[in-house]
Amino acid sequence: AQSVTQLGSHVSVSEGALVLLRCNYSSSVPPYLFWYVQYPNQGLQLLLKYTSAATLVKGINGFEAEFKKSETSFHLTKPSAHMSDAAEYFCAVRHTGGFKTIFGAGTRLFVKA
Amino acid sequence: DGGITQSPKYLFRKEGQNVTLSCEQNLNHDAMYWYRQDPGQGLRLIYYSQIVNDFQKGDIAEGYSVSREKKESFPLTVTSAQKNPTAFYLCASTGQGGTNEKLFFGSGTQLSVL
Repeated sequence: AQSVTQLGSHVSVSEGALVLLRCNYSSSVPPYLFWYVQYPNQGLQLLLKYTSAATLVKGINGFEAEFKKSETSFHLTKPSAHMSDAAEYFCAVRHTGGFKTIFGAGTRLFVKA
Repeated sequence: DGGITQSPKYLFRKEGQNVTLSCEQNLNHDAMYWYRQDPGQGLRLIYYSQIVNDFQKGDIAEGYSVSREKKESFPLTVTSAQKNPTAFYLCASTGQGGTNEKLFFGSGTQLSVL
């Protein structure tokens, strides 16, 4: 069975600091991995996705994530936080051949001025 | 512009009442999904449909029902059997391009109990 664990329900950083949001997954087959962002009272938007083409994936708004099979991790990073990055971030997994996407519990990112 | 439209944005349910949430897409997507979002719990799958006139239960289908009579539409009914319906409901869709397709989301409906 697939599952996703996001470490830390809340993360707070200062503007200009490194953003690191952690995601670990469990899957019995090679997965597709996604990061989505949700702004208040809105739906989710895709930040980036891993589909086995490259282990380092670059997304929108300066975010990137690295797939590490040995650690079953897909952590999201951004070198320098901006106030507009404040939102909730969800890691998600779907296995090859499947139609169901499984989401983590989410991490709310706060950015301090 | 193509997208997913959910309505209403806010909905209130009285005890014992069934309510229906609307989801319409003009992306020509085959697969559509309903998720329930509760604070701190992420998104949980209620129902999904891969094709017209066919749908499957997700992880928390009890107390909910759906229909898929048209490709564009996937309404969700929250029945009186759902004892804790207060949540944010999200509709989503994906194309036929394979399982690495991203989900497109609507802007959600907040359902509350009076």
